[in-house]
Amino acid sequence: DTGVSQDPRHKITKRGQNVTFRCDPISEHNRLYWYRQTLGQGPEFLTYFQNEAQLEKSRLLSDRFSAERPKGSFSTLEIQRTEQGDSAMYLCASSLGDRGTEKLFFGSGTQLSVL
Amino acid sequence: GENVEQHPSTLSVQEGDSAVIKCTYSDSASNYFPWYKQELGKRPQLIIDIRSNVGEKKDQRIAVTLNKTAKHFSLHITETQPEDSAVYFCAARNTGTASKLTFGTGTRLQVTL
Repeated sequence: DTGVSQDPRHKITKRGQNVTFRCDPISEHNRLYWYRQTLGQGPEFLTYFQNEAQLEKSRLLSDRFSAERPKGSFSTLEIQRTEQGDSAMYLCASSLGDRGTEKLFFGSGTQLSVL
Repeated sequence: GENVEQHPSTLSVQEGDSAVIKCTYSDSASNYFPWYKQELGKRPQLIIDIRSNVGEKKDQRIAVTLNKTAKHFSLHITETQPEDSAVYFCAARNTGTASKLTFGTGTRLQVTL
């Protein structure tokens, strides 16, 4: 599968624990996005990278959330001191950021359950 | 920022009938409008998109129309089949200034036999 891959697919954790998710974008894509999706809602934007630079963060992204893309390839999203309200599907997406090419391709997501 | 509203939230049609899902957006500068299909437990998949320089785009049984003046766009699925059952999301973006897609809340389409 040469699409966007995410790991793990599912994560169950206790409140207060830290969790880290990984995303591997499509290899030639220079833009990488993190979205969060709760049941019955559309994906909500969290943050965005162009190559290794984090260019935008949503107000949804509290200081407990941090994302990195150290070499402009894979990305990690860490949530510290998890809360029950963090339970959601965390989706990664990538795109080739050339003019006129805006198509976003999503991974299968990481389903987080905070007990 | 951009706000996208989508309706209906649920839609049930009989196999072979047409389905229409409508979205409105708030930012008149938005110029790119994709539609995603998400089956249960799977990733959202891009099924069709349209840019603001065209009013309609068709791909087999799927078509999207855009009315820039009214700031709304619609997804049309003809001759629906059971495998069309899924949640459909519309989205909007200003590709010149905005990096992110803003999504609607989704429409759950159920195609019954």
